[in-house]
Amino acid sequence: EAQVTQNPRYLITVTGKKLTVTCSQNMNHEYMSWYRQDPGLGLRQIYYSMNVEATDKGDVPEGYKVSRKEKRNFPLILESPSPNQTSLYFCASSLYRESPKLFFGSGTQLSVL
Amino acid sequence: KQEVTQIPAALSVPEGENLVLNCSFTDSAIYNLQWFRQDPGKGLTSLLLIQSSQREQTSGRLNASLDKSSGRSTLYIAASQPGDSATYLCAVRGGDSNYQLIWGAGTKLIIKP
Repeated sequence: EAQVTQNPRYLITVTGKKLTVTCSQNMNHEYMSWYRQDPGLGLRQIYYSMNVEATDKGDVPEGYKVSRKEKRNFPLILESPSPNQTSLYFCASSLYRESPKLFFGSGTQLSVL
Repeated sequence: KQEVTQIPAALSVPEGENLVLNCSFTDSAIYNLQWFRQDPGKGLTSLLLIQSSQREQTSGRLNASLDKSSGRSTLYIAASQPGDSATYLCAVRGGDSNYQLIWGAGTKLIIKP
């Protein structure tokens, strides 16, 4: 089954404790991205990757890191989380950047205390 | 800078009614516009895609229209059912080389049995 798998689904942590949210797709997609969703706001892109070893900043990259060492995986790293990073996070992938067929993970609800 | 607005933020209607969800955008130079459905804990699913050269798209009980000149799109849902309850998101893809997706905040729809 074609899917984007995100883990964990829920995460509660404390300020400053490094964490990683994993994202994996099994569709051989070149394009992957991370979004955050906050109440009353549209999804905002954090980082994206056009292909392996090619990552770039989105609209809200501050406080986040990503890597793309393998085509299928695109982890999101918060090296020193802060309360303003409490949000719902989505990973997405598509065959290419402007492809209309965008696949989303189920989301990770992160709370930073 | 493109801005996407969805009004209303929430809508509750009795089962069986036809309804219209609205999406407006500020820059008419778009590549395409998509409507997505978001269910809690299940990520986002694409419903309809309208290319910039098109005026409408239909899928089952759903019909989406696009008026680029006025910066508006509507999603029409016919004969609403409780299973249609979800948050509906509109996303506009820019027509520049970036092809960035800009998202509305969504309309939370509740269909009352």
